[in-house]
Amino acid sequence: AQSVTQLGSHVSVSEGALVLLRCNYSSSVPPYLFWYVQYPNQGLQLLLKYTSAATLVKGINGFEAEFKKSETSFHLTKPSAHMSDAAEYFCAVRRGNQAGTALIFGKGTTLSVSS
Amino acid sequence: DGGITQSPKYLFRKEGQNVTLSCEQNLNHDAMYWYRQDPGQGLRLIYYSQIVNDFQKGDIAEGYSVSREKKESFPLTVTSAQKNPTAFYLCATDRDYSNQPQHFGDGTRLSIL
Repeated sequence: AQSVTQLGSHVSVSEGALVLLRCNYSSSVPPYLFWYVQYPNQGLQLLLKYTSAATLVKGINGFEAEFKKSETSFHLTKPSAHMSDAAEYFCAVRRGNQAGTALIFGKGTTLSVSS
Repeated sequence: DGGITQSPKYLFRKEGQNVTLSCEQNLNHDAMYWYRQDPGQGLRLIYYSQIVNDFQKGDIAEGYSVSREKKESFPLTVTSAQKNPTAFYLCATDRDYSNQPQHFGDGTRLSIL
């Protein structure tokens, strides 16, 4: 069965510092992985997705993630944090590789950025 | 613009009352989903539908019901059997391909009066 674990419910960084949000997954099939961002009282916005085309995936707003099969990880990074990056971030995996299957979400990581 | 519209944005439920949350999409996506979000819990799947007139229970379907009479619409009813309905509810859609992302509405926040 598929599952997702996000390490660290809260991460704090200074503006300009490296952002690293950790995600480990468990999947019995080649996984489809996603990172989403959520601002308060809003829906989720897709940051990036991994669908086996390339292990280093670039997304919006300067974020990227690297798929490491040996470590079953899909960590999200950004070289330099901006105040506007403060939000909640979710890692998700498809439940299977069939069409129309739902996502399984991690519990989320809240990113705080200080000036 | 194509998108997903959830209404209302805020909803209050009285004891013993059923309430219905609306989700409408004009993305022409086949699949639609309802998730419940609680602080520190991530998103949990309530119901999903892959085609019109068909839907399946998710992980936490008890106390909820849905219908899918039109491709564009997937309303969620929170019944009086749901004893802890206070949460943020999110509707999502996607195309019929597993490697494509889900698109989300802006959510409905449900509270108990």
